[in-house]
Amino acid sequence: DADVTQTPRNRITKTGKRIMLECSQTKGHDRMYWYRQDPGLGLRLIYYSFDVKDINKGEISDGYSVSRQAQAKFSLSLESAIPNQTALYFCATSEANTGELFFGEGSRLTVL
Amino acid sequence: DAKTTQPNSMESNEEEPVHLPCNHSTISGTDYIHWYRQLPSQGPEYVIHGLTSNVNNRMASLAIAEDRKSSTLILHRATLRDAAVYYCILGLAGYALNFGKGTSLLVTP
Repeated sequence: DADVTQTPRNRITKTGKRIMLECSQTKGHDRMYWYRQDPGLGLRLIYYSFDVKDINKGEISDGYSVSRQAQAKFSLSLESAIPNQTALYFCATSEANTGELFFGEGSRLTVL
Repeated sequence: DAKTTQPNSMESNEEEPVHLPCNHSTISGTDYIHWYRQLPSQGPEYVIHGLTSNVNNRMASLAIAEDRKSSTLILHRATLRDAAVYYCILGLAGYALNFGKGTSLLVTP
């Protein structure tokens, strides 16, 4: 089983719909992240959380919100999806001092 | 945030060493140099990171210039499985990292 699990892996939705992408981890890490990847643009940080009570905006947080339900769970929501949010989304975790990020397999979202 | 500059793409022959360069002239004293790679259809995976001294692990070596304004990721013997996008990133250890576009490495038989 994967250490960092993302659901759903693929989702097609329509403009204006609310979408939630979920991430769960079994690594016991405090720190969790959501990234977005678009072709030719690398990965861009959306939100990150260093513990259950800590939420921080990343480079491109507009149009997104997050919830850290527990140490192991970090969800990304699109309240009203729009076509330019079509992308590949990655969740990641890390420990405080080791410097290594562990990524999930990605969630591909298409907004029509 | 301090930025990095990497070539868009590089090509290597299988079983030969590969040197992937990264320039980071505005690096701060607390920035680590991190390298990740992303294989096709997968999430990024950690390769190596360092602060000032050269680092070696089972995957690669990291050579850091004395002034820390540049670094080189060294794959000692490229295999077809090493074909990936390689990201050079600056940041604190265990902190949020901002990935750029990286270098797309093509390995030919």
